[in-house]
Amino acid sequence: AQKITQTQPGMFVQEKEAVTLDCTYDTSDPSYGLFWYKQPSSGEMIFLIYQGSYDQQNATEGRYSLNFQKARKSANLVISASQLGDSAMYFCAMREVDSGYSTLTFGKGTMLLVSP
Amino acid sequence: EPEVTQTPSHQVTQMGQEVILRCVPISNHLYFYWYRQILGQKVEFLVSFYNNEISEKSEIFDDQFSVERPDGSNFTLKIRSTKLEDSAMYFCASSVIYDRGYEKLFFGSGTQLSVL
Repeated sequence: AQKITQTQPGMFVQEKEAVTLDCTYDTSDPSYGLFWYKQPSSGEMIFLIYQGSYDQQNATEGRYSLNFQKARKSANLVISASQLGDSAMYFCAMREVDSGYSTLTFGKGTMLLVSP
Repeated sequence: EPEVTQTPSHQVTQMGQEVILRCVPISNHLYFYWYRQILGQKVEFLVSFYNNEISEKSEIFDDQFSVERPDGSNFTLKIRSTKLEDSAMYFCASSVIYDRGYEKLFFGSGTQLSVL
């Protein structure tokens, strides 16, 4: 089974509008972390936001917020007031803490295109 | 802001040749990683390195792969005899571990390896 599922291969949004990128995850580990990374066309991976499984509040970082619904095992990324520079590939990733592994497992990504 | 540096940005090699991908992690980081991304696919974990030894590796990381931290600053990935299917973007990453497993991985810009 996929540990991280991103069901939207591509998303379109107009500049200044908000957009939600979906991510669901699968783990039996009670302690885990969820991450979103942005990959622009230049190829680098840019950390955006983190949510810990025990965090009571949804994480926010500037225009990025994470809609964490633990019971549904979803960790959607919300980008408010989209900008042209937000056009990129977005990856959701998970780290399972109690498993003892230090690795991140990535989803397949969602390509976001922001139009003027 | 400190960053992970990878060289070269592009590497073209003939099948069967050895390649060495180089990385300079962030200086006070303790954990080092290699990930790869085949074109159009998700980012996949290869290996993690801590305290001068491999801490985890994926099934992709077979005997053709090796990692080294030769001088306390560089972190290298060697592929002994490249295959066509090794063509991918290779990302180096480094991190510190926070409590609850919060681990912000800093990625380098990647090395695009093309095996002909």
